[in-house]
Amino acid sequence: DTEVTQTPKHLVMGMTNKKSLKCEQHMGHRAMYWYKQKAKKPPELMFVYSYEKLSINESVPSRFSPECPNSSLLNLHLHALQPEDSALYLCASSQGTGANTDTQYFGPGTRLTVL
Amino acid sequence: AQSVSQHNHHVILSEAASLELGCNYSYGGTVNLFWYVQYPGQHLQLLLKYFSGDPLVKGIKGFEAEFIKSKFSFNLRKPSVQWSDTAEYFCAVNALGGTYKYIFGTGTRLKVLA
Repeated sequence: DTEVTQTPKHLVMGMTNKKSLKCEQHMGHRAMYWYKQKAKKPPELMFVYSYEKLSINESVPSRFSPECPNSSLLNLHLHALQPEDSALYLCASSQGTGANTDTQYFGPGTRLTVL
Repeated sequence: AQSVSQHNHHVILSEAASLELGCNYSYGGTVNLFWYVQYPGQHLQLLLKYFSGDPLVKGIKGFEAEFIKSKFSFNLRKPSVQWSDTAEYFCAVNALGGTYKYIFGTGTRLKVLA
């Protein structure tokens, strides 16, 4: 099973809403990632979890709050977002973050629209 | 700061034409190099990767890439493209050592005409 699943596929939310994005993998990977991808742009790394601990936060605003409840799950909690946060949010996982373990497997993404 | 450049933003080819997509990165240390592909309506998937050893790497669907360390390049090639190769192609670099840094290039949209 080389699949990373993400829910929901689409999300529309207002600027005062609180919502969460979910990501799941069952490949035994110990590193998981959140990326943001705007239209016609490359994915931009937001967060990296390694062994369920946050190891990288790429200066992401606090209105985005990641959570890794266990090694298979990754959440992204959203609160008080701005319209410019509308994007495709991608989750990925890899065996690790080291030299030979960092091939990433991507989910299909959640398309977020903030009104 | 590390960066990854893909100079070809849009490429249009006829079937059976040869393909070469450029990728250059700026980082003086050890790197892992990747090409990912995103077919229309599908998610990003790995095409090929370079970690060490032979600088000529073969991937899926007849793609290959050559790592030229002196040129900081990792160009993607395919001798004969097919209509089904229509997709967006991203080069990615993991700069090893120090803070983890996985950077994607800006992407190249390839359209293959049948």
